[in-house]
Parts: sequence; C-alpha cells; structure tokens
Amino acid sequence: AQSVTQPDIHITVSEGASLELRCNYSYGATPYLFWYVQSPGQGLQLLLKYFSGDTLVQGIKGFEAEFKRSQSSFNLRKPSVHWSDAAEYFCAVGRGNAGNMLTFGGGTRLMVKP
Amino acid sequence: NAGVMQNPRHLVRRRGQEARLRCSPMKGHSHVYWYRQLPEEGLKFMVYLQKENIIDESGMPKERFSAEFPKEGPSILRIQQVVRGDSAAYFCASSENTGELFFGEGSRLTVL
Repeated sequence: AQSVTQPDIHITVSEGASLELRCNYSYGATPYLFWYVQSPGQGLQLLLKYFSGDTLVQGIKGFEAEFKRSQSSFNLRKPSVHWSDAAEYFCAVGRGNAGNMLTFGGGTRLMVKP
Repeated sequence: NAGVMQNPRHLVRRRGQEARLRCSPMKGHSHVYWYRQLPEEGLKFMVYLQKENIIDESGMPKERFSAEFPKEGPSILRIQQVVRGDSAAYFCASSENTGELFFGEGSRLTVL
C-alpha cells in the first residue's frame, strides 16, 4: 500500500528566506505525486504535480518540486517566501489510471516571520 | 464556472443523530471523491463515485457511513448515528474523467 511521510509538522521561516518542505513516499509503481496547499478554513489548492518526464516541476506561486526516485522523495521548494505563503502544505501520492486516488501525508504547517 | 460546492459548511449534531453532507461537483465533472480530515491530520480517502456508481469505497468505515452520487443532484455523504469520533472536516473533490482533482471548501461536522 502507498504511504506518504512529511517529517516536519511545523516549519517557521523568515519572509524572504528560502523554503524546502520534505516529502517521502512509498509506492510500488511509478508514482503520481502532488503538492497541495490549504489555507485556514479553506479547501485544498493544487500547487504542482509530477506524472513523468522532467523531474523538476514548476508550479503556481513560485513553487517547484524535484522528484528523486533513488530517495523516494518529492520535496517542495521556494526561493523566497512571502507572508502570504503561511498555510498548511500536503504532499500526496496518487494511484489509479491517472493518479486520481490520492493518499496524503500528514501535512506541514508553515509559519512566516516578518 | 463555479467550483466544487459543499454544504453545509458547518454542521452540529448530537450523538445518535444523522449527518448529511452534500457536494455539487464542478460543471462537467462526473467523478466525485470524499475525504475526511481529522484535527491536526492529513486527508484520508473515503470513497470515489461516478454518476450512480461507487467505484472505490475502500476508505469508508464499514458501518454507519454511506455515499451516493445520483443521476441528478449532488453527491451525498450520510453518517448515521454519529459519534464524537466522527467530528472532522469532510472534503469533496471532483474531476473530469480521471484528471486533476478540484476540492471544495469542506463541511465541518461537530458532534456534541
């Protein structure tokens, strides 16, 4: 069965600093991988996804993620964090024909210091 | 094009009552998914439906929970005889065929 681990429950960074959120997955086949962001009281918004091809994927809001098969990782990065990036971030692995059956990690809550 | 609409946004029930949560998918979407988010946890898959069919219900508790997506109208997640442990946020997502999932804002159930 697939699983997703986000080792960091909380992360605090200063505005303007770089960010990396970790994600490790376990899946028997080539994974479909996703990062979602959830603002308080809101639903989830897709930041980016990896299905195949280039292992460095670009997403919305200046985020990117790199798929590393050898490390079973799909870490999310942003070069310069803005205060509006404070939210909860979820990594997910998808199964099914197009990866539409998602298994989520426990989430990482990002706080941004002024 | 309206997004995924869920209602009610907040629902309070006493133990033993029934909870019904509704989800209207985005226009043109025929696939609906329900997820549950317990406090301080990630989302857990519950059920995947297409019109009039349950495709995968591997995440649904065996008792008290049911879901439907009729030919007309919204998808319904029904929880009978609620208990305190059912308190959670329930999220619906929809997709066109098996493409990207779009999530609603969730329904937050509180069981007293």
